[in-house]
Amino acid sequence: EVQLVESGGGLVQPGGSLRLSCAASGFTVSSNYMSWVRQAPGKGLEWVSVIYSGGSTYYADSVKGRFTISRDNSKNTLYLQMNSLRAEDTAVYYCARVRAAMAPLDYWGQGTLVTVSS
Amino acid sequence: SYVLTQPPSVSVAPGKTARITCGGNNIGSKSVHWYQQKPGQAPVLVIYYDSDRPSGIPERFSGSNSGNTATLTISRVEAGDEADYYCQVWDSSSDHRWVFGGGTKLTVL
Repeated sequence: EVQLVESGGGLVQPGGSLRLSCAASGFTVSSNYMSWVRQAPGKGLEWVSVIYSGGSTYYADSVKGRFTISRDNSKNTLYLQMNSLRAEDTAVYYCARVRAAMAPLDYWGQGTLVTVSS
Repeated sequence: SYVLTQPPSVSVAPGKTARITCGGNNIGSKSVHWYQQKPGQAPVLVIYYDSDRPSGIPERFSGSNSGNTATLTISRVEAGDEADYYCQVWDSSSDHRWVFGGGTKLTVL
């Protein structure tokens, strides 16, 4: 059974850092594309970042230069390192599997809440 | 960057048909996916590649895509279908980004 479990969210001050984790089971992270999607309170879904099976990474303009997506193949885990956090980064962050660029995000985690506030 | 436009809300009576649109420039040339999200839950894929249904999704859910509009159709709407619905495409022209529509709140009257 495919499962994605996010962790690492919490309250952080503006300018601070946080690392989110997404532990996968039932499939191999490195053989798939893996993505982060966020949802600010009361708002819609916003794509954040993706890592391709080959290792290429891409980011939304809103996080480029501040966030870094990575994976640990030995732990079958996806990460999102978030630096220079801003109030507008406050959101629930979901990890999701996507098999290829045009494919759907077919499995999602339950999400982890990140709150950026002083 | 590529923009997907959805109506903020759609209302329908139980047993009737709901149609949720997703507009985009020549969206008919792209693969469109649809997600259902209920309050406090993660999104769930309900239609992929314009019109395919994942296992476990009722046949009442269907999709189409042509020209500048993709449509999610829910037949014989039930109270349990009340949720937010998002369309999504992959835009190869803008640095490999995934694009979501703004979402449509489906209200079952």
